[in-house]
Amino acid sequence: KQEVTQIPAALSVPEGENLVLNCSFTDSAIYNLQWFRQDPGKGLTSLLLIQSSQREQTSGRLNASLDKSSGRSTLYIAASQPGDSATYLCAVRPRETTDSWGKLQFGAGTQVVVTP
Amino acid sequence: NAGVTQTPKFQVLKTGQSMTLQCAQDMNHNSMYWYRQDPGMGLRLIYYSASEGTTDKGEVPNGYNVSRLNKREFSLRLESAAPSQTSVYFCASSEARRPINQPQHFGDGTRLSIL
Repeated sequence: KQEVTQIPAALSVPEGENLVLNCSFTDSAIYNLQWFRQDPGKGLTSLLLIQSSQREQTSGRLNASLDKSSGRSTLYIAASQPGDSATYLCAVRPRETTDSWGKLQFGAGTQVVVTP
Repeated sequence: NAGVTQTPKFQVLKTGQSMTLQCAQDMNHNSMYWYRQDPGMGLRLIYYSASEGTTDKGEVPNGYNVSRLNKREFSLRLESAAPSQTSVYFCASSEARRPINQPQHFGDGTRLSIL
């Protein structure tokens, strides 16, 4: 069974520092991997989606890499700001069966605090 | 642009009571999902609906039922609530065109407490 792990569970950095968030998964048979942001009391906002054939995706200050063979993805946030404080979750879409397309397997998230 | 709307936002129930969580999306998506989020466990899929008229079990379906009322609406029902169902429930939707390659869009959640 696919398992998704995010370490550390919490992270605090001073403003301006680059953030590096890690996501690992046990089964490399995936369709894609998605990074989300969750603010307290809110739903999930999709940040980046990387297809299994891609190595990275970029959006503004965000860059996500994918190394499928080693089961790892990293989300980089450049020049962090207090507004980046949130919980970041990764999720993989596993290739378990032909009807597994509807399923995302989530990590527990990394809670990020950016201090002014 | 509302996206995915969930009602209610908060609810407190007593053990054994029933209730239905509502979800509606205005993005013309064919696929919809229900997740629960518990501390330290990430989100887990309860049920999903690939398209109008179809529903399938996810990872943790026991104690729940769903109805895909039409293309816009997907409801989750707790027939006899139990304290273990205390959680935050999220509804999501995605495009049907090659859904495996499409991102899922989430509502703001329903915070449910079972006493």
